[in-house]
Parts: sequence; structure tokens; C-alpha cells
Amino acid sequence: DGGITQSPKYLFRKEGQNVTLSCEQNLNHDAMYWYRQDPGQGLRLIYYSQIVNDFQKGDIAEGYSVSREKKESFPLTVTSAQKNPTAFYLCASSNGPRLEQYFGPGTRLTVT
Amino acid sequence: GNSVTQMEGPVTLSEEAFLTINCTYTATGYPSLFWYVQYPGEGLQLLLKATKADDKGSNKGFEATYRKETTSFHLEKGSVQVSDSAVYFCAPISGGYNKLIFGAGTRLAVHP
Repeated sequence: DGGITQSPKYLFRKEGQNVTLSCEQNLNHDAMYWYRQDPGQGLRLIYYSQIVNDFQKGDIAEGYSVSREKKESFPLTVTSAQKNPTAFYLCASSNGPRLEQYFGPGTRLTVT
Repeated sequence: GNSVTQMEGPVTLSEEAFLTINCTYTATGYPSLFWYVQYPGEGLQLLLKATKADDKGSNKGFEATYRKETTSFHLEKGSVQVSDSAVYFCAPISGGYNKLIFGAGTRLAVHP
């Protein structure tokens, strides 16, 4: 089955630690995205990548980093510089401009 | 700037009632328009889409028509079910990098 996988589903970390969230897709999509969702709110774009070895900052990139070394993978690192990292993180991919994005199941990160 | 406005929730309906969730947007050019649905604790699923003026998107009994003159994309369903209870997001896509614009979403609760 084609789709997007995110792991783990739940993640707990202590304040001051970096943590990496996994996102893998087997849809052969060029573009991939990371969003953050806070309770009762919509999604906000963190980073996006339109092609391998290239990525750009979204609206709330501070405190986050990404890499895109393979077409299938777009991991997100939440660094200790992120002031309020507890949130639900969603990865998405699409096959081109103005086309629909397909979302993974999300990772819920809790930092205490 | 680009934005989307959805009716505030929660919207509470009885099973088999008619549903309308209003959505208006501001965006540069002529965006593609999407409705996504999010069930509790899950990622977003694409519900329907429309890519140009007067297009009607439909899926699972839901419909929405791209109204360029009113910049609207209202979601409708003739007879809701308990299983339709979820949060619904209207999201235009705009900009050179395929950015989805999200509002806060509308929570729908359907009671038997």
C-alpha cells in the first residue's frame, strides 16, 4: 500500500534534548512538508522540500531543522532552541504544484 | 495576506440532518481548493477538491463548489451520520511553493 508513515506515534522527551521525528513516503512524490498543529488550531508550515537535497523554511521554522537526502525520507529535528515544542506534528507529500497533499498519521510530541 | 475563514464550531447536528460548513478565503491568483477531514488523534484525510471556478468536488456524499465571485467553497452534505463527527478544514493552496492555508477548522458532532 502506498502512503506516508510517521514514527513513533507518541514521543516523550525532557526539556533541553533534541529529538528527530521520522517521515517516510512510498508515493514517489517529489515534494514533502512538515506541519505543526496545536490544540484547537489549524496547521502551520514548518519546513518544506520540493526536491531531494533542497528545502526551505516555512512560517515557523525557528528551533527546527530538516534534511532531504533521499526522495522517500524527510526527517524533522526539534531542537532545544524550540521554545514550545509540545505539539502534534504532521508530515505530508504531494506530486506537484497546486496538487493535493497527502498526510501521515502524525507524531504527538510531549516535552516536559 | 492569504487566509481562510471557516464558521466557528462546534456544529452539533442530529443524524440525517443537512450540513453546511461555510468557508471563504483570500488568496493570490486562482488557488486550488481542498476540504480535509481529521478524526480524533489522526492525520488529515483529503475529502474533496476543486481546481478551477465552478468546479464541484464531491466524495462520500459531501460536496463543495468553487465560487470565484464570492471566494467561497462551502461544504455540504444532505444527510450526516454519526461517523461524520470530526474536524473539517477548508484549505486553499497558494503561492509558488504549494503552501496550504489552514484556518482553525470546524468541529462537527453528530448525535444519534
